[in-house]
Amino acid sequence: DTAVSQTPKYLVTQMGNDKSIKCEQNLGHDTMYWYKQDSKKFLKIMFSYNNKELIINETVPNRFSPKSPDKAHLNLHINSLELGDSAVYFCASSQLAYEQFFGPGTRLTVL
Amino acid sequence: AQTVTQSQPEMSVQEAETVTLSCTYDTSESNYYLFWYKQPPSRQMILVIRQEAYKQQNATENRFSVNFQKAAKSFSLKISDSQLGDTAMYFCAFMKRVGGTSYGKLTFGQGTILTVHP
Repeated sequence: DTAVSQTPKYLVTQMGNDKSIKCEQNLGHDTMYWYKQDSKKFLKIMFSYNNKELIINETVPNRFSPKSPDKAHLNLHINSLELGDSAVYFCASSQLAYEQFFGPGTRLTVL
Repeated sequence: AQTVTQSQPEMSVQEAETVTLSCTYDTSESNYYLFWYKQPPSRQMILVIRQEAYKQQNATENRFSVNFQKAAKSFSLKISDSQLGDTAMYFCAFMKRVGGTSYGKLTFGQGTILTVHP
């Protein structure tokens, strides 16, 4: 059984488009995260939700909007995609802060 | 703000030998966690080992062990009896420990690519 799943795994789109990445966890965790891994493999946190409440919001362009319809789901919507948004986006979840379980990642390519 | 530095962009080792990956960090916090994550070519992020800063004993997980030097703010990973499946990118990460919360922000280093040769 997949613990943290993301859809899609790959996403190729044109500049200026709007796209969403979905994340679901079946671990019963209260907290979910979005991390971005750029082309140099550097990983950085973007957002975190705890029980559907936004608790971590790093310096991210406001074209990025997370939404948590329930505590098992955390989606990432990106408006007006730019070339620099090309990256791998990882979702993660945790019940204990120090045990974060990562999803398989979504590779976003903006052309 | 915390920073994590991995000064070795790439390392290589022969199968069955031992390799040590370096990590230093900077923080004014006294309670925190340190982690090593592995990212193989499949790109899945896998937790290798975790160290709690208040514990003096170095963490070990089978062939993986750490050398945690709190005063020096150093946290190296030793892989013994290296296997081909250890080939991956390894990330050192820091998390401030906040009591009573179930969430925490991981701050990652730049990563070290480890190649295990047969």
